[in-house]
Amino acid sequence: GQQLNQSPQSMFIQEGEDVSMNCTSSSIFNTWLWYKQDPGEGPVLLIALYKAGELTSNGRLTAQFGITRKDSFLNISASIPSDVGIYFCAGQLTGAQKLVFGQGTRLTINP
Amino acid sequence: GAVVSQHPSWVICKSGTSVKIECRSLDFQATTMFWYRQFPKQSLMLMATSNEGSKATYEQGVEKDKFLINHASLTLSTLTVTSAHPEDSSFYICSATEGAGRRETQYFGPGTRLLVL
Repeated sequence: GQQLNQSPQSMFIQEGEDVSMNCTSSSIFNTWLWYKQDPGEGPVLLIALYKAGELTSNGRLTAQFGITRKDSFLNISASIPSDVGIYFCAGQLTGAQKLVFGQGTRLTINP
Repeated sequence: GAVVSQHPSWVICKSGTSVKIECRSLDFQATTMFWYRQFPKQSLMLMATSNEGSKATYEQGVEKDKFLINHASLTLSTLTVTSAHPEDSSFYICSATEGAGRRETQYFGPGTRLLVL
């Protein structure tokens, strides 16, 4: 089936550093979504992107919908301890109801 | 807005019993809800798509008689794990779709952890 390649799989950074992760696919997506999941909880929506080229911010988070519609990135600036968790990208193909998920990026922050 | 709840948050049951998990959209109506299963340190695995008033669409490899899904209203979907066995132990997460067309967004519930003894 469809797959999203998310990288990196894990990141170990110092508090205050900026973070960048991305997702790519061979398929064209209609929507890109970025979620964060804390242990034992459901994913929480961070940013939703609906248009190619769209650049959207949510506080210290910025995400972009790639112009080719096959990729998206998420940046986190000035990381803080509560940013720790697993970040998932998800894409929705045109005409499809379900989402395709990336494998996740596990973010660890050293104080 | 866009809050999805699940109940129970965790459940322990004996092998052979059935367990029902509820998923509710609290502040919006959801024509479509989804049920996922997640194993430790893995991504979400879609089990089925549930549309209000119609039969659920199951992903390949998911037994529909094992995982019964009912979406009786625009704010409630239920997943029943029938005759549960230890291999059914997992983290089950539902999501509900808000919006329509190109601006559909899925919001997730907090998950239900099932342990079958």
